[in-house]
Amino acid sequence: QQQVKQSPQSLIVQKGGISIINCAYENTAFDYFPWYQQFPGKGPALLIAIRPDVSEKKEGRFTISFNKSAKQFSLHIMDSQPGDSATYFCAASKLNGNKLVFGAGTILRVKS
Amino acid sequence: KAGVTQTPRYLIKTRGQQVTLSCSPISGHRSVSWYQQTPGQGLQFLFEYFSETQRNKGNFPGRFSGRQFSNSRSEMNVSTLELGDSALYLCASSLAAGAGETQYFGPGTRLLVL
Repeated sequence: QQQVKQSPQSLIVQKGGISIINCAYENTAFDYFPWYQQFPGKGPALLIAIRPDVSEKKEGRFTISFNKSAKQFSLHIMDSQPGDSATYFCAASKLNGNKLVFGAGTILRVKS
Repeated sequence: KAGVTQTPRYLIKTRGQQVTLSCSPISGHRSVSWYQQTPGQGLQFLFEYFSETQRNKGNFPGRFSGRQFSNSRSEMNVSTLELGDSALYLCASSLAAGAGETQYFGPGTRLLVL
């Protein structure tokens, strides 16, 4: 059972453009929604995270938008750079533990 | 501060064998979680340990087991290996257990079962 659905599977964006990745979840008990970035040969690294009590969080060029009623959240990468080319994973977890449920991942390629 | 270290980085085993993977968390971190990453199933949670106690377990067969030592280092064991166990096994550590605690991932151990 896929509890976190992520789209698109892959994305090609021109340098300077906006990359948008979307996720939807089913379990209303989820309380924490992080995004991870993974480069080949490396483990995932936390990019930015949000809790459901806020609708948006911005850190530098990265913004999470959160819609609790629709059970959806998205990652926006502004001014995308070739160095942003990586696989991005959304995830969710419940309040009482560290168990992360991951989306399937989005392979982002930023063309220079 | 040193990051999460996993050993070995690469491993080749044959069907039926068993394997033990090791994870050393960031100094001071007491929670360790394990994940399996495959192209087909993505990232899937295996188990979580905090203060030597298993707090959560994913939906994996009993062939997958783990433990945590008093110094927070953790090991996971897979017995009677199957071809489908070929995967990248990732360890993540955090200061404590609870949603909102940043989990720091290691580089993983890539296991190939022949």
